[in-house]
Amino acid sequence: GAGVSQSPSNKVTEKGKDVELRCDPISGHTALYWYRQRLGQGLEFLIYFQGNSAPDKSGLPSDRFSAERTGESVSTLTIQRTQQEDSAVYLCASSVYRATEAFFGQGTRLTVV
Amino acid sequence: AQTVTQSQPEMSVQEAETVTLSCTYDTSESDYYLFWYKQPPSRQMILVIRQEAYKQQNATENRFSVNFQKAAKSFSLKISDSQLGDAAMYFCAYRTYGGSQGNLIFGKGTKLSVKP
Repeated sequence: GAGVSQSPSNKVTEKGKDVELRCDPISGHTALYWYRQRLGQGLEFLIYFQGNSAPDKSGLPSDRFSAERTGESVSTLTIQRTQQEDSAVYLCASSVYRATEAFFGQGTRLTVV
Repeated sequence: AQTVTQSQPEMSVQEAETVTLSCTYDTSESDYYLFWYKQPPSRQMILVIRQEAYKQQNATENRFSVNFQKAAKSFSLKISDSQLGDAAMYFCAYRTYGGSQGNLIFGKGTKLSVKP
């Protein structure tokens, strides 16, 4: 596609439920990143995929968070047993490997009630 | 570990005036990239300007320029002739030069308001 696409745009879920957030990167971009942005805060790195290499999961805050990506295609970020502290905007970005610039999607605003 | 600090949570500028946003960072590496991203209410992060640490010349993009002081680990953004459309959150970010480590490290941001 023309840009990084994320869905849904907004998601309201009840505490304790699982949610899946989707990211469709720019075609041909081998690198894909997930970030979390809490209200009024900067971006916290969550996870990084590069091609078929093992992902860098060093930013995942707990074992309730996981992400998958097959090859250079769509990625899914899953949050299990959501907590109110998980409320944030989740941003996805993609780039060509070793490129300086990452292109961002518009994010998913997750609200846990 | 690398850190990025933006000490101005909010800034305000009159339309057509100039404003400077501050950013400092901490790293032990000698080669890296620095960026300024703009985030309007649409939430999408937009790259404003980038600077390679090995370049001494300050990067410029139209009305946007940076003051890169490598020894001081300072990377400020100057916006000239401010426009209403410049109102947004601005984030300073750092990235390892090697590229194999993908994560950009962000500051907490500066909210810029532009007064007509």
